[in-house]
Amino acid sequence: GQQVQQSPASLVLQEGENAELQCNFSSTATRLQWFYQHPGGRLVSLFYNPSGTKHTGRLTSTTVTNERRGSLHISSSQTTDSGTYFCAIDLSNTGKLTFGDGTVLTVKP
Amino acid sequence: DMKVTQMPRYLIKRMGENVLLECGQDMSHETMYWYRQDPGLGLQLIYISYDVDSNSEGDIPKGYRVSRKKREHFSLILDSAKTNQTSVYFCASSLPGVSNERLFFGHGTKLSVL
Repeated sequence: GQQVQQSPASLVLQEGENAELQCNFSSTATRLQWFYQHPGGRLVSLFYNPSGTKHTGRLTSTTVTNERRGSLHISSSQTTDSGTYFCAIDLSNTGKLTFGDGTVLTVKP
Repeated sequence: DMKVTQMPRYLIKRMGENVLLECGQDMSHETMYWYRQDPGLGLQLIYISYDVDSNSEGDIPKGYRVSRKKREHFSLILDSAKTNQTSVYFCASSLPGVSNERLFFGHGTKLSVL
């Protein structure tokens, strides 16, 4: 929705290239999270990152709360990274997450 | 085995019929959720449940109600389904409290209302 905006809407890479996905949100709410949706629909939690930088494997999540933005960096992309990436924010501090519309990533061999 | 199970996976109903979507989790998570996802969009929160009989509306509760009588089970009910409720419905659960550090999702239920 408007409160959480993701860019780009879609991205096509060659295998081995890096990707930078952006998430901008409308308040100074924290508790930013990143999710991955498999092409078949399955949703997986990637990061809970209210602030700072976190790494797991080839993924890096960075959240700058006072600038109301977050990013997800994917290094050395693989075809299996293809799918949709969502960021979500807890705007009301109640556990109720608001999702962006996602970035569709396609990695070509 | 950490799992969120949704039943059924696919469902076709006629407009005006009642619909029951069921969700179970085996992690003793206090917080559970129902989301819907329409094509090309992110997930929209229908209801959140903080524990048994402690439910709260999300962003789009109209036309839906929920039931949580046991911690491991959370149901979504559509009374008199409408065609615009055709969607994919996801149930999720998370660790206690509002930090929801990690959400575990079910596979989703694809509902078609004709």
